[in-house]
Amino acid sequence: AQRVTQPEKLLSVFKGAPVELKCNYSYSGSPELFWYVQYSRQRLQLLLRHISRESIKGFTADLNKGETSFHLKKPFAQEEDSAMYYCALSGSGYALNFGKGTSLLVTP
Amino acid sequence: ETGVTQSPTHLIKTRGQQVTLRCSSQSGHNTVSWYQQALGQGPQFIFQYYREEENGRGNFPPRFSGLQFPNYSSELNVNALELDDSALYLCASSSPQVPTEAFFGQGTRLTVV
Repeated sequence: AQRVTQPEKLLSVFKGAPVELKCNYSYSGSPELFWYVQYSRQRLQLLLRHISRESIKGFTADLNKGETSFHLKKPFAQEEDSAMYYCALSGSGYALNFGKGTSLLVTP
Repeated sequence: ETGVTQSPTHLIKTRGQQVTLRCSSQSGHNTVSWYQQALGQGPQFIFQYYREEENGRGNFPPRFSGLQFPNYSSELNVNALELDDSALYLCASSSPQVPTEAFFGQGTRLTVV
């Protein structure tokens, strides 16, 4: 069975502080992992995917197969990073299995 | 390039009624997926359509059904509405080259009373 766990419902950090949004997954095969973001009044959009190994808006995420984690990190948080973040897994090649999301609030 | 558009944006239905939600996929995308997002939850996969055929289905009862048209637009139909069907319904399209990179619409907020 596929499962994505985001343990924090809400994460509040100060501007300029490092941020880490946690994501753990369970899947028996080799999954594709994603982070999606939803800014206020905007639609859900892809932030990054593990296979591309990119840094988007200063965010990075490394797939740790041993710990079955895909944590999202940014060294210096900005106020515009405040949003809802969802970790998602695709094991089948078509369906995305989302976590419940973490609301990130960056305060000045 | 136009994005994914959904209609209507909001609607209210009575328990037991039927509802149809519509989605236009992004230009060049032939795969459409539907998700249900209950309050405080992440989106949950309902089903996916590829070239007018259902390509995969999540854990939803048969009263949730869909269609995809030759222009790749799609409909989600829900029969015998229940109060628990109240949710945000999201449509996402993707390209054949990158099927797991989903582009989402703004959603339809369904309230069942």
